[in-house]
Amino acid sequence: GAGVSQSPSNKVTEKGKDVELRCDPISGHTALYWYRQRLGQGLEFLIYFQGNSAPDKSGLPSDRFSAERTGESVSTLTIQRTQQEDSAVYLCASSLISPLVMSSYEQYFGPGTRLTVT
Amino acid sequence: GQQVMQIPQYQHVQEGEDFTTYCNSSTTLSNIQWYKQRPGGHPVFLIQLVKSGEVKKQKRLTFQFGEAKKNSSLHITATQTTDVGTYFCAALGDSGGSNYKLTFGKGTLLTVNP
Repeated sequence: GAGVSQSPSNKVTEKGKDVELRCDPISGHTALYWYRQRLGQGLEFLIYFQGNSAPDKSGLPSDRFSAERTGESVSTLTIQRTQQEDSAVYLCASSLISPLVMSSYEQYFGPGTRLTVT
Repeated sequence: GQQVMQIPQYQHVQEGEDFTTYCNSSTTLSNIQWYKQRPGGHPVFLIQLVKSGEVKKQKRLTFQFGEAKKNSSLHITATQTTDVGTYFCAALGDSGGSNYKLTFGKGTLLTVNP
């Protein structure tokens, strides 16, 4: 596809349920990032995948949050036992990342998944 | 960890006035980027600065990277209602290695009164 896609676009779930959010990065992009954005707030880094390296999980807020990435393609962010404070827009971004290409550090964002926990 | 401070948090201007947002870091940066997020939208890349003292222009937008590579600014001349949104700076540290995680500032929300 032409850009980063995310699904679902909206998700309403009951407190305590598990949810899975999906991100399809731009083909060929080696880096993939997940962010959380609460209403009217900035971007909160969650996790970062880069090629075959171990992911940087330093932003995950609790052990209820986990993410996986299959090779250099699709990623899923899973939130277990959702809480009301998990309500936010979850944004995914991808980058090419090539030291030979200066513009490759740009992040391309998907439209996000709006998660509402009732 | 690396921190990036962005000010002001909010700015309301009359259409036609100028606007500036500033981004500061306590550590040297190898790369700073600027993004714009329209209300209800997702962040969209605007520009990247990598050289000390670099200045880049995009129509009414002027971006600067400080001489010490620790600060940056985005200036909009003669704002228009289409400039409304949140402007984020995002920095890549200068510590080398292979971690390409960006640290985002908290953003400046610009509103423009027509």
